[in-house]
Amino acid sequence: ILNVEQSPQSLHVQEGDSTNFTCSFPSSNFYALHWYRWETAKSPEALFVMTLNGDEKKKGRISATLNTKEGYSYLYIKGSQPEDSATYLCAFIDDYKLSFGAGTTVTVRA
Amino acid sequence: NAGVTQTPKFRVLKTGQSMTLLCAQDMNHEYMYWYRQDPGMGLRLIHYSVGEGTTAKGEVPDGYNVSRLKKQNFLLGLESAAPSQTSVYFCASSMGQGATDTQYFGPGTRLTVL
Repeated sequence: ILNVEQSPQSLHVQEGDSTNFTCSFPSSNFYALHWYRWETAKSPEALFVMTLNGDEKKKGRISATLNTKEGYSYLYIKGSQPEDSATYLCAFIDDYKLSFGAGTTVTVRA
Repeated sequence: NAGVTQTPKFRVLKTGQSMTLLCAQDMNHEYMYWYRQDPGMGLRLIHYSVGEGTTAKGEVPDGYNVSRLKKQNFLLGLESAAPSQTSVYFCASSMGQGATDTQYFGPGTRLTVL
């Protein structure tokens, strides 16, 4: 079982501020990294699938970067809004299955 | 298009009782998964299925059984519930099992075992 770590575990952001957090994963045998967004009382939803070193993906105010050589991915939220409050999960492909981190819970204060 | 649905949404069991959680998907996906989510831990894979009539063990299979009699349904059974099985259970499905195949999740079932 691979160790996928996310930090910090939680963070509070003022509305309008930008923030970022980290997903660390084993750098050997890399295939893909997935980011999911999970709002309270809803289903986790896919945000990004990242496969190439140096990859950068963007969806609205949320973007992610990938460094496969050192084994980390950053997720950025620019100009945070209350609707960005959610738990953000990253998952690493291991033997055709997803190995999830514990998530970073973001709370945006109005 | 309902996507992935789970039944029930909430359940309280007494130790030793049994129950079945139902997952249904309408996307014609081959692959289906059952996860559990516990505080401070990532989603952990219990069992999965690579097609109708097939099942396989995941990371934490003990105490659970599964069946995939129809392509669209994946059932998770607890034969004799224990307090350690108190958790939120998520079902997911995907078209393939490739590195870039996205999994689509259901809304979860919150199970409490007393």
